[in-house]
Amino acid sequence: AQKVTQAQTEISVVEKEDVTLDCVYETRDTTYYLFWYKQPPSGELVFLIRRNSFDEQNEISGRYSWNFQKSTSSFNFTITASQVVDSAVYFCALSEANNYGQNFVFGPGTRLSVLP
Amino acid sequence: DTGVSQDPRHKITKRGQNVTFRCDPISEHNRLYWYRQTLGQGPEFLTYFQNEAQLEKSRLLSDRFSAERPKGSFSTLEIQRTEQGDSAMYLCASSLRDMYSPLHFGNGTRLTVT
Repeated sequence: AQKVTQAQTEISVVEKEDVTLDCVYETRDTTYYLFWYKQPPSGELVFLIRRNSFDEQNEISGRYSWNFQKSTSSFNFTITASQVVDSAVYFCALSEANNYGQNFVFGPGTRLSVLP
Repeated sequence: DTGVSQDPRHKITKRGQNVTFRCDPISEHNRLYWYRQTLGQGPEFLTYFQNEAQLEKSRLLSDRFSAERPKGSFSTLEIQRTEQGDSAMYLCASSLRDMYSPLHFGNGTRLTVT
C-alpha cells in the first residue's frame, strides 16, 4: 500500500536560513510520481514540484531544490534563503497508477514557520 | 484558466441535516478528486472521477456520502444525515489524464456540524 511519512511536524527557522523538509514514501510499484505542495494560511493547496520514479536527477528551481533518492525512498525538499512568505504547511504526495486510474496519497504535512 | 472553484466556502449545519457541495474543475481537466482534510492532517482521499465515471471510492467513505459528476463537468458531494465527525474541510481537485499531471486544488468548503 502507498504511504507517505513526514517525520517533522513543525520547523522554525530565521529568515534567510536554508531549510530542508523530509519525506519518506512506501510503494510496491516501480512507476510512481512524487509531488510537493504548499498550503499557506489562506488554505489553498498549491503545487510546487514533481518528480517521476525514473528520474533521480536532482534539480534546482529558484530557491527550491529537491533530492530524490530511490535507494532510501526519500524525496526531500529544500528552500534556500527562506523568507517569511514561505511560512506554510508543506505536504509531500505520492501518486501511482492503480486498477482505477491514478490516486494521490498525502503525508501529514510539516508546518514551517519562518521568523523575521 | 480560472482555477478550481468550490461552493460554498463555509457551511454550518445541524447534526442530521443533509448538505451538498459543488466543485467546478478547470475546464480542460477530465479527472476530478474529492479529499477531506481535518485540522493538522494531510488531505484524505474520498473519491475520484474520470470524466463522468466514478472510478474509485475510499473504503473509509460511509454510505452517507455520495458524489456525482454528470456530463463530466462539475461535481457534487452530498453528505446525508450529517454527524459531528463530518466536520472538516472538503477539498476538490482536478487534473489532466496524464500520469505526471499534478492536482490543482480549489479553496475548499469548510463544514461545521453542530
